[in-house]
Amino acid sequence: QSALTQPRSVSGSPGQSVTISCTGTSSDVGGYNYVSWYQQHPGKAPKLMIYDVSKRPSGVPDRFSGSKSGNTASLTISGLQAEDEADYYCCSYAGSYTPFVFGTGTKVTVL
Amino acid sequence: EVQLVQSGAEVKKPGESLKISCKGSGYSFTSYWIGWVRQMPGKGLEWMGIIYPGDSDTRYSPSFQGQVTISADKSISTAYLQWSSLKASDTAMYYCVRHLTPMMEDAFDIWGQGTMVTVSS
Repeated sequence: QSALTQPRSVSGSPGQSVTISCTGTSSDVGGYNYVSWYQQHPGKAPKLMIYDVSKRPSGVPDRFSGSKSGNTASLTISGLQAEDEADYYCCSYAGSYTPFVFGTGTKVTVL
Repeated sequence: EVQLVQSGAEVKKPGESLKISCKGSGYSFTSYWIGWVRQMPGKGLEWMGIIYPGDSDTRYSPSFQGQVTISADKSISTAYLQWSSLKASDTAMYYCVRHLTPMMEDAFDIWGQGTMVTVSS
């Protein structure tokens, strides 16, 4: 079971949009609609931002959105803000035997 | 308030055993899967395994199968992660997580504060 592939880093200016990709296989991302995204600030525990591919938990700003096409899921941050600078991880369900796999992580920098 | 509270930081020597804990409160502990996630210093998140406290059904990542044991004591709403013989490479932050719903497939909505484990001679 290999980690999902994410770009190492993405960056954007305040107000711009950035998109983070998360590529897996038909055994994980492509096989189930259970992709989630987590935001982690330095020294803090991760926080759930998106679940079930595109749903937002209560309290998460609507400038965070998720989607999926085939074996690749994406997280888009619209109207980038300084506080969005953090590491982001995708995670996918991968079947009942070995249920989950995380992505490699992406550092988002706000220029 | 739904929360997971983990045990404190540990400093151990190679070869020693260790059991860290994660106490759930504010919800029905036996109805939600609890998982463990490793984060080595400066590295990404790694899913280790999960347990359903209601019946102790447990699943492991192949990377951690045989290396750690996940258990739970539903009488005190506490999940555990244990090692029988620690290695320096076990040095990491360990998070426990609760699933968003009683479904195994669902995301992790509640995270513990993390337990830092340092293994050094």
